Amino acid sequence: NAGVTQTPKFQVLKTGQSMTLQCAQDMNHNSMYWYRQDPGMGLRLIYYSASEGTTDKGEVPNGYNVSRLNKREFSLRLESAAPSQTSVYFCASSEADGAYEQYFGPGTRLTVT
Amino acid sequence: SQQGEEDPQALSIQEGENATMNCSYKTSINNLQWYRQNSGRGLVHLILIRSNEREKHSGRLRVTLDTSKKSSSLLITASRAADTASYFCASSGYSTLTFGKGTMLLVSP
Repeated sequence: NAGVTQTPKFQVLKTGQSMTLQCAQDMNHNSMYWYRQDPGMGLRLIYYSASEGTTDKGEVPNGYNVSRLNKREFSLRLESAAPSQTSVYFCASSEADGAYEQYFGPGTRLTVT
Repeated sequence: SQQGEEDPQALSIQEGENATMNCSYKTSINNLQWYRQNSGRGLVHLILIRSNEREKHSGRLRVTLDTSKKSSSLLITASRAADTASYFCASSGYSTLTFGKGTMLLVSP
């Protein structure tokens, strides 16, 4: 049981480049989430998927897109990276939305130069 | 932003002492959760307290919730060096969690 896995662990991009962060969970959870964590800001929700086939914006969605590929996988895409997107990105999953505990992946550390 | 606030931002204690962290949130909640993050790692769920509960225990952890004041506290008793980490509260709305900015706890041997 791997839990929540994320790839890659580290990435350096130049401004304007694109990339996709991958996330997968093996707990048969319905809900999945993408957060970013910046120093002194805690975690902020970018997008979430309450169930397979649905996605919704969180607090800071600008500059990102997501795809819920199937029940296991939820990807985050940066179409044109900007230095302001330098952050640590965490994927999480939960049995259902809102009221349930979330399980987190190990994170992706992204630097945009 | 609905982000809550933890207090203090940083806390330094000796092994064996108790550590208390406080959290305030802004809107009505379904439940409130506490998470721990070791440096460079993902968050790990510690404890969940529902809006109709006032106190909950789990091992050395004690959580209280005061919905009238929109606040919660996390008490870690008999702290160990291994408790050194950042601790976050998260308030549960309808679909998502809103995380606070965290308290960094340092427990010295």
